Amino acid sequence: GESVGLHLPTLSVQEGDNSIINCAYSNSASDYFIWYKQESGKGPQFIIDIRSNMDKRQGQRVTVLLNKTVKHLSLQIAATQPGDSAVYFCAENMASGTYKYIFGTGTRLKVLA
Amino acid sequence: GAVVSQHPSWVICKSGTSVKIECRSLDFQATTMFWYRQFPKQSLMLMATSNEGSKATYEQGVEKDKFLINHASLTLSTLTVTSAHPEDSSFYICSAQRQGKRDTQYFGPGTRLTVL
Repeated sequence: GESVGLHLPTLSVQEGDNSIINCAYSNSASDYFIWYKQESGKGPQFIIDIRSNMDKRQGQRVTVLLNKTVKHLSLQIAATQPGDSAVYFCAENMASGTYKYIFGTGTRLKVLA
Repeated sequence: GAVVSQHPSWVICKSGTSVKIECRSLDFQATTMFWYRQFPKQSLMLMATSNEGSKATYEQGVEKDKFLINHASLTLSTLTVTSAHPEDSSFYICSAQRQGKRDTQYFGPGTRLTVL
């Protein structure tokens, strides 16, 4: 299930199940979106990206869906494994001259054995 | 390719001292580097944008005299936390944009700063 912790919401899933992590982005002009995985004490690790002219993109075991109408992004992880346990962040490229990223609040994924 | 390193990976210092953190793009040239700060259980917050050969652009609420940024070459940016205090303790992460690919940022492994 999904719960809101002190700062990070947590999603707990059984090993082998599919995970869906959601993100609401802020700027309707953003044109590029990225999902990152962050393990404790490490920098963000690129997972998958999508441009605003697409609504779905698939990678290995991961799929990103983009709904521009409601400014919503989701990351689907198939057959979740213990190694998927981490914090997941979405980021939007503000499409401004500086190409700054704005990160979402993040979701902690806990994979239960 | 597109590897970014940070040094040191962790540092402990006394209150009142200054600490320099380096961010290097190892196999590409980075016209722009970004510095982020991350508190425990929170997201990455952009502190500043650093362009090679020019002054950094700081985000609202970030003290430029406290967090000095220098981007002297296309492969190196430094963040100096001046007169550090315990509230500056945080995880500092840099990222780099490579020339000609402005929408992609490559992230470093982060530096854990603890101020006693």
